[in-house]
Amino acid sequence: GEDVEQSLFLSVREGDSSVINCTYTDSSSTYLYWYKQEPGAGLQLLTYIFSNMDMKQDQRLTVLLNKKDKHLSLRIADTQTGDSAIYFCAESNTGGFKTIFGAGTRLFVKA
Amino acid sequence: DAGITQSPRHKVTETGTPVTLRCHQTENHRYMYWYRQDPGHGLRLIHYSYGVKDTDKGEVSDGYSVSRSKTEDFLLTLESATSSQTSVYFCAISSDRGNEKLFFGSGTQLSVL
Repeated sequence: GEDVEQSLFLSVREGDSSVINCTYTDSSSTYLYWYKQEPGAGLQLLTYIFSNMDMKQDQRLTVLLNKKDKHLSLRIADTQTGDSAIYFCAESNTGGFKTIFGAGTRLFVKA
Repeated sequence: DAGITQSPRHKVTETGTPVTLRCHQTENHRYMYWYRQDPGHGLRLIHYSYGVKDTDKGEVSDGYSVSRSKTEDFLLTLESATSSQTSVYFCAISSDRGNEKLFFGSGTQLSVL
């Protein structure tokens, strides 16, 4: 079945860039998403990219998609302590009702 | 923030008892979902709804049932709770089917002893 994989932990220093990586298996994925979860809260949609795009930039966030390798990355520029959270990669297709989530990458930002 | 309220926020119950979790939305979104979150598994879909009285199973539906009698309310019931159902439960809503930009509630921490 479809699967989404992410590394579990990433630690960066405040002010550096963070890059969180994700791979997925479903070649029919249409949309790919990044969600952020802060402690004790639900997931919050950060950004998404349509599968016919290679890159999407939104302020400090840059999403890169390599469809051939089924690889998605999220780059956070000038990482701040407030960016410490769990980041989930997810994918869905046009059929809907079945967004598949990765296990999440816990980002630690050291001051 | 999307208007999604989950209740209760925390619940402790005993094995074998029935439990109902409630999700209430004020966004008038058509689609509603119940997910569970467990360490190492990310989020897994339990059930979803595509309209009033229209529901279907997700990836991990065994032991769970749902009902949606009004657009704004989606109930998740554990008929006879088991320890394996100890988890954090999230309700989510969306207005689109293909591009499922999900908006999540704050979650319910359920402990089954």
